[in-house]
Amino acid sequence: GAGVSQSPSNKVTEKGKDVELRCDPISGHTALYWYRQSLGQGLEFLIYFQGNSAPDKSGLPSDRFSAERTGGSVSTLTIQRTQQEDSAVYLCASSSPPLGELFFGEGSRLTVL
Amino acid sequence: RKEVEQDPGPFNVPEGATVAFNCTYSNSASQSFFWYRQDCRKEPKLLMSVYSSGNEDGRFTAQLNRASQYISLLIRDSKLSDSATYLCVVDQTGANNLFFGTGTRLTVIP
Repeated sequence: GAGVSQSPSNKVTEKGKDVELRCDPISGHTALYWYRQSLGQGLEFLIYFQGNSAPDKSGLPSDRFSAERTGGSVSTLTIQRTQQEDSAVYLCASSSPPLGELFFGEGSRLTVL
Repeated sequence: RKEVEQDPGPFNVPEGATVAFNCTYSNSASQSFFWYRQDCRKEPKLLMSVYSSGNEDGRFTAQLNRASQYISLLIRDSKLSDSATYLCVVDQTGANNLFFGTGTRLTVIP
């Protein structure tokens, strides 16, 4: 498939555990975004990667959240010591050029018990 | 103040009706504006970009009012398949991230 791929699609974890969410963007897309969407809410910007530039981390809600993008392609969002309020759908999107059409993956639904 | 604000609705309209949504944004220097559509439990997808002169795509018309800092989406002759949440999206000037509104839910009733 040529779309944005995210894994896992669903993750249930216990409070205090670490989780990793993966995003494989569309090949050739230089911009990659992470958003999260809580039930019935809008999309909350988390972090943005563009090529080899330093990522825009201004949306990360706490230092428990981090993300990396290796080789300008696959990205991993890590949440350490998960809390119940971290429960949400985490959406990854890629685009080229930046501010062009964002193509979203189907999301990773995280539930923290 | 939120970067992007929308009336959450819901808007319940009969088939064939015309419905309009507005969205206000806080950054007067924003340059890029979009409407995305999100179906229930699905990912958002681009509906249309919004250009300064206004633009139309079939039954959908988007307009930008820079003076009042709002964008609008007009849907004519509503179809059942138009039922979805419509997200207003605005760029943050000086950065390459995009702010999404909370969305306006539309339900078209037979």
